[in-house]
Amino acid sequence: DQQVKQNSPSLSVQEGRISILNCDYTNSMFDYFLWYKKYPAEGPTFLISISSIKDKNEDGRFTVFLNKSAKHLSLHIVPSQPGDSAVYFCAARAIQGAQKLVFGQGTRLTINP
Amino acid sequence: DTAVSQTPKYLVTQMGNDKSIKCEQNLGHDTMYWYKQDSKKFLKIMFSYNNKELIINETVPNRFSPKSPDKAHLNLHINSLELGDSAVYFCASSRPPGGAAYTEAFFGQGTRLTVV
Repeated sequence: DQQVKQNSPSLSVQEGRISILNCDYTNSMFDYFLWYKKYPAEGPTFLISISSIKDKNEDGRFTVFLNKSAKHLSLHIVPSQPGDSAVYFCAARAIQGAQKLVFGQGTRLTINP
Repeated sequence: DTAVSQTPKYLVTQMGNDKSIKCEQNLGHDTMYWYKQDSKKFLKIMFSYNNKELIINETVPNRFSPKSPDKAHLNLHINSLELGDSAVYFCASSRPPGGAAYTEAFFGQGTRLTVV
């Protein structure tokens, strides 16, 4: 049973436009959500996170939105740049204090010049 | 200077063999992890160690045995390798869990294991 789902395996966006990556979860006990970015042959790199007590967190071009009632979060990247082309993983913390992350299967984002 | 490093990066081996993957972090973190990325691309936690003590052990076959000689190292030893063990294995580290506070995990570059 996959508790974190990224239903879009891939997304293609024009450079300069907004990229929106979506993530759904089923476990209402998740209390912290993160986005990781991964380039080929590298490990995931932390991008941005949000606590379940907030509905928005912004860091430069990256904004994460959390809709707890819908069990949905999204990552907005604006403006999109070619260097943003990567696989993006949504993750959720399963147990407070345990640092156990449950990951989605990733969305491959391609930014076209 | 690499923060979390794994060796080897690629490993091809025959079924039934025993192999080890090494991981070292120079971030001064107390907590280290092994994650597995399977063929469907899901990243799933296998083990977590805090200051050399096992704190998370997911449903992993006992052919997989993590070993932490000190808090900067967490090695993964796999006995009697099977075809289904083929995957990318990621080591990670973080500051220890602190109740409500979360600290992000830093990942190594991964080890692609292929069992033939």
